[in-house]
Amino acid sequence: AQSVTQLDSQVPVFEEAPVELRCNYSSSVSVYLFWYVQYPNQGLQLLLKYLSGSTLVKGINGFEAEFNKSQTSFHLRKPSVHISDTAEYFCAVSDGKAAGNKLTFGGGTRVLVKP
Amino acid sequence: DVKVTQSSRYLVKRTGEKVFLECVQDMDHENMFWYRQDPGLGLRLIYFSYDVKMKEKGDIPEGYSVSREKKERFSLILESASTNQTSMYLCASRSVLSSGANVLTFGAGSRLTVL
Repeated sequence: AQSVTQLDSQVPVFEEAPVELRCNYSSSVSVYLFWYVQYPNQGLQLLLKYLSGSTLVKGINGFEAEFNKSQTSFHLRKPSVHISDTAEYFCAVSDGKAAGNKLTFGGGTRVLVKP
Repeated sequence: DVKVTQSSRYLVKRTGEKVFLECVQDMDHENMFWYRQDPGLGLRLIYFSYDVKMKEKGDIPEGYSVSREKKERFSLILESASTNQTSMYLCASRSVLSSGANVLTFGAGSRLTVL
């Protein structure tokens, strides 16, 4: 079975400061990792994904994440946040690439960007 | 713009009532999902449908059933609503062609309160 732990439930951060959201996973098989974002009163949308290749993945809106297999982590970072980055962020792991695979989500990290 | 539409944004029901949550997608996607979202628990998969008339239990199917008679519509049914089913319910869809990339398209959610 796979699981995802997001270590911080809430992260307050000042505008233009950097932010890092931590994500650790466990899985008995090769993993594919994802970050989704949920803006207020909206559904989730894909921010970035790691399927294979370079361990540093770049996503939308200036976010990036680094896959670290030895530490089973997939932390999300942004060097300078904007007010519009206020949202809830979800890390997720997939059990494979085959059709019918399912995502397991972490508990979410709520980011509040302060002016 | 592609869409997943959930028919009700807010519902208030009484204990014991039968509840229908409807989800429609206009992207001709084969896979559809129902998740519930609770603070600190992230998203948990209730049911998953590979294609029309096909369904599979997720991680928390107890107290729920689903129906997928047409490709574009996936309904979640609470046969006898209970207070512990008060939650945000998210519908999502995915093309089989992108199943490896796990690019799910989410609806905006249905917030159900059971009194």
